[in-house]
Amino acid sequence: TQLLEQSPQFLSIQEGENLTVYCNSSSVFSSLQWYRQEPGEGPVLLVTVVTGGEVKKLKRLTFQFGDARKDSSLHITAAQPGDTGLYLCAGAGQGAQKLVFGQGTRLTINP
Amino acid sequence: KAGVTQTPRYLIKTRGQQVTLSCSPISGHRSVSWYQQTPGQGLQFLFEYFSETQRNKGNFPGRFSGRQFSNSRSEMNVSTLELGDSALYLCASSPRVSGNTIYFGEGSWLTVV
Repeated sequence: TQLLEQSPQFLSIQEGENLTVYCNSSSVFSSLQWYRQEPGEGPVLLVTVVTGGEVKKLKRLTFQFGDARKDSSLHITAAQPGDTGLYLCAGAGQGAQKLVFGQGTRLTINP
Repeated sequence: KAGVTQTPRYLIKTRGQQVTLSCSPISGHRSVSWYQQTPGQGLQFLFEYFSETQRNKGNFPGRFSGRQFSNSRSEMNVSTLELGDSALYLCASSPRVSGNTIYFGEGSWLTVV
């Protein structure tokens, strides 16, 4: 069974600080997605990474896929209150397998 | 392009009743997946449908069922509701069978009392 572990589970920091969220597994994934979910809403896709070592930037967010395609990180620079939410990583296995989701990181950015 | 649409958004049911939730995928998407989200268990996969056929199934009891229609719209049904079924039920669509990027709807909040 493929599992994705996210850390930290909870993170509360001040506006302007930097942070990194991790998503780790012992399994290899063909691609990995990051989603952000706000209270009462469905998860919204932020990025998909498919190549080992790939780095993608989305404004102040930087996503990296590990060289071995077993892990990923999300780095936020100069966090803002609007970044508050539940961040989920999801891995796609080989072939027609269901996506595997991490438990999520609940991020709170305090003004 | 319209996103994934789920109805109803909120509903309250009594233990023992049954409920049907509906999902309209993004136009052109043929795969629909259903997830249950609770604070304690996170996102748990229920099942996936593609071209009206169930392609994957999670570890949920037989009280949870689903179907997909020829226009790719999907419904899920929960019979004999239990208090523990209270959750946010999320539908997601994708152009192809699961493993690829999926796009979520806003979810249906089910409260069982």
